[in-house]
Amino acid sequence: KQEVTQIPAALSVPEGENLVLNCSFTDSAIYNLQWFRQDPGKGLTSLLLIQSSQREQTSGRLNASLDKSSGRSTLYIAASQPGDSATYLCAVRRSGTYKYIFGTGTRLKVLA
Amino acid sequence: NAGVTQTPKFQVLKTGQSMTLQCAQDMNHEYMSWYRQDPGMGLRLIHYSVGAGITDQGEVPNGYNVSRSTTEDFPLRLLSAAPSQTSVYFCASIGADSGNTIYFGEGSWLTVV
Repeated sequence: KQEVTQIPAALSVPEGENLVLNCSFTDSAIYNLQWFRQDPGKGLTSLLLIQSSQREQTSGRLNASLDKSSGRSTLYIAASQPGDSATYLCAVRRSGTYKYIFGTGTRLKVLA
Repeated sequence: NAGVTQTPKFQVLKTGQSMTLQCAQDMNHEYMSWYRQDPGMGLRLIHYSVGAGITDQGEVPNGYNVSRSTTEDFPLRLLSAAPSQTSVYFCASIGADSGNTIYFGEGSWLTVV
């Protein structure tokens, strides 16, 4: 059974810091992995999607990496800003299905 | 583009009442699903559909029914609401032509008293 874990559960950093959020999964038979942002009281916004054949994806100040063999993904946020404060979730899609398994998220607070 | 639209956004139900959460997408996506989000438990899959007329159970289907009569709509029915169904519900869709990105609605906050 696929399990997705995100560490840390919460993180507080001063503005301007570069930071790394971690996501680990137990079954390497994945189709893709997606990172999402969720603001309080809102839905999920897709940030980056990495196909199983890819090693990383970049969008602006965000970079996500994927190491399928070790069951890990990291989301790197450069030069963090207070507007980056949100909960970040990762989810893996199982091979051969449309089902996504979600981690419980990392709640990020960037202090001005 | 409307994307994935959910209604209502907020609802309070009494135990035993029934209701339907509506979900519609305008992206012609074949796959649609319902998740619930509870504190400390992440999102859990309730039901999903891979196309009109086809539905299947997810991880936590008990107490919920779904149907998929059209590609666009995927309503979630609570048959007899229980306090344990107090949660935030998200509808999502995936299309093969959208780079396999999963799109979420804004969520429906349900409280059962």
